[in-house]
Amino acid sequence: AQKITQTQPGMFVQEKEAVTLDCTYDTSDQSYGLFWYKQPSSGEMIFLIYQGSYDEQNATEGRYSLNFQKARKSANLVISASQLGDSAMYFCAMRGTDSWGKLQFGAGTQVVVTP
Amino acid sequence: EAGVAQSPRYKIIEKRQSVAFWCNPISGHATLYWYQQILGQGPKLLIQFQNNGVVDDSQLPKDRFSAERLKGVDSTLKIQPAKLEDSAVYLCASSSNWAGGPKETQYFGPGTRLLVL
Repeated sequence: AQKITQTQPGMFVQEKEAVTLDCTYDTSDQSYGLFWYKQPSSGEMIFLIYQGSYDEQNATEGRYSLNFQKARKSANLVISASQLGDSAMYFCAMRGTDSWGKLQFGAGTQVVVTP
Repeated sequence: EAGVAQSPRYKIIEKRQSVAFWCNPISGHATLYWYQQILGQGPKLLIQFQNNGVVDDSQLPKDRFSAERLKGVDSTLKIQPAKLEDSAVYLCASSSNWAGGPKETQYFGPGTRLLVL
């Protein structure tokens, strides 16, 4: 069974600073994918970034980067130069090859960016 | 490219009533997912379709929940009768093909917020 753990229920960060959101996972799959989604108060889940288990380099997408440490089973999201619009819930999720496609989500981290 | 569409956005019903949610996935996406997100939790998969066939409905409470995707495009999720604990956001997502491997990205709609009184 797969499990995603996000231990930070909430975080405050000042505008223009960087913030790291923690995510650890547990799986017996050899091949798997890790995703981060953003959910603003409007409710839509917005895809941010993907990291494959066999990817040698950490994924980056604009201001988002993923600090992937396979041996420690962690996939932390780093948001650089925070903006007020980054205030939202952030979810880490995993997809294994034998799970028929479904994503297993963590409980999420609420980020509030302050001026 | 149009995203995943869902309706209604909000619904308030009394317990024991029935309710239906509609989802239209991204054009060309073969796989459609329905997730339930209870307040303070991450989404949980209810049912997954590949075209018009069910791939995974292991977490769907089949005594009260049903879903269909008759023509392999849009889908309807129904709850009958609703219970208080069904209050949640119901999210629909789609991807081009679940068998595309771990990288296959799911794109979500805006969700339907259901309140059962």
